[in-house]
Amino acid sequence: RKEVEQDPGPFNVPEGATVAFNCTYSNSASQSFFWYRQDCRKEPKLLMSVYSSGNEDGRFTAQLNRASQYISLLIRDSKLSDSATYLCVVGGYNKLIFGAGTRLAVHP
Amino acid sequence: DVKVTQSSRYLVKRTGEKVFLECVQDMDHENMFWYRQDPGLGLRLIYFSYDVKMKEKGDIPEGYSVSREKKERFSLILESASTNQTSMYLCASSRPIGGNTEAFFGQGTRLTVV
Repeated sequence: RKEVEQDPGPFNVPEGATVAFNCTYSNSASQSFFWYRQDCRKEPKLLMSVYSSGNEDGRFTAQLNRASQYISLLIRDSKLSDSATYLCVVGGYNKLIFGAGTRLAVHP
Repeated sequence: DVKVTQSSRYLVKRTGEKVFLECVQDMDHENMFWYRQDPGLGLRLIYFSYDVKMKEKGDIPEGYSVSREKKERFSLILESASTNQTSMYLCASSRPIGGNTEAFFGQGTRLTVV
């Protein structure tokens, strides 16, 4: 079983739609949680950290459920520029483990 | 502006060659990582280092070794390149992992082994 699992997608949504991604992780001792974004042929970049209380950054909301060991990302009012691959990342013991990513395509 | 620099964007090597991939960061970060990224498999951790001369195996260390003689530099070595090591290699650095740690990536090295 992979340490971090995500639905690979693709999710094809129209502009303005709300879309949600989920991610599960296997190591209950994991300490830190993140969502990264990767554009085509580019390196991954941090989108947001994920905290137990949940956190929001503009149109993006991240949630963590430690009991069920899953992380979610909600994107509201999708823009064309949101088209990318979203990587779920789990950290602990000085290492970062990435999920395989969920591809999002937003169309006009 | 923070920076992680990988020595080459594209490399073509022959089977059996010894290959060195270099990564330098200018942020005084303790942690450095090497990943490979393949379609459908995402980023897989090869090796990481949390201090000079310290290294830990990741999920797929076979066929690779690393060197961290200075804090800013982390090298990935393919002892005898094989075609199944054709991939995109990404180096990253970060502070010690915590709730708000951000990892910064280099632009990647696309390695082709023929």
